[in-house]
Amino acid sequence: DAGVIQSPRHEVTEMGQEVTLRCKPISGHDYLFWYRQTMMRGLELLIYFNNNVPIDDSGMPEDRFSAKMPNASFSTLKIQPSEPRDSAVYFCASSWRSSGNTIYFGEGSWLTVV
Amino acid sequence: QQQVKQSPQSLIVQKGGISIINCAYENTAFDYFPWYQQFPGKGPALLIAIRPDVSEKKEGRFTISFNKSAKQFSLHIMDSQPGDSATYFCAASITGGFKTIFGAGTRLFVKA
Repeated sequence: DAGVIQSPRHEVTEMGQEVTLRCKPISGHDYLFWYRQTMMRGLELLIYFNNNVPIDDSGMPEDRFSAKMPNASFSTLKIQPSEPRDSAVYFCASSWRSSGNTIYFGEGSWLTVV
Repeated sequence: QQQVKQSPQSLIVQKGGISIINCAYENTAFDYFPWYQQFPGKGPALLIAIRPDVSEKKEGRFTISFNKSAKQFSLHIMDSQPGDSATYFCAASITGGFKTIFGAGTRLFVKA
């Protein structure tokens, strides 16, 4: 079975550029999460969706960050403009109502902003 | 009140020893407490989980101990192996809520 698929796996970009991270959740999952992992702050929940609708975006750090889920099989996390402090690993994860709250993570997108 | 506090930050254990990682939470509404294991370059993956109606859950060499009154839970890895070297996250959530709060993580290194 295919797991959560994220792209790109690695991205290096210059400060001020727009960054778009993409995610394909596991088929049949109706919850989608975006997490950010850094050494200093650990794993932070940025936003999560249920049935393509954003439920809680209280973790989104500022207006430079936006996330969309246009359909059940695709989501994007966009940073515009990017800053060096946005350098982190961004994880997409998915789940479904009968999973017992288990979350399935992708392998992450490693973002470096120089 | 949403925090989950995890300790230690890092841990070095001899092969065959017992690894113990501790977590504490504040929100008494939490009713699902998973542990996730993360290898370098990979995403976290569920290792074992417990609900507060039991005080202990064991799966192979991995055991969760849960103390509801103290609002603490811990992961014990018996007979630790070099292949267990990874980062371990405790977490907490409310069933059906799906908003999972993670601890800061513990980097475990098992020496051969």
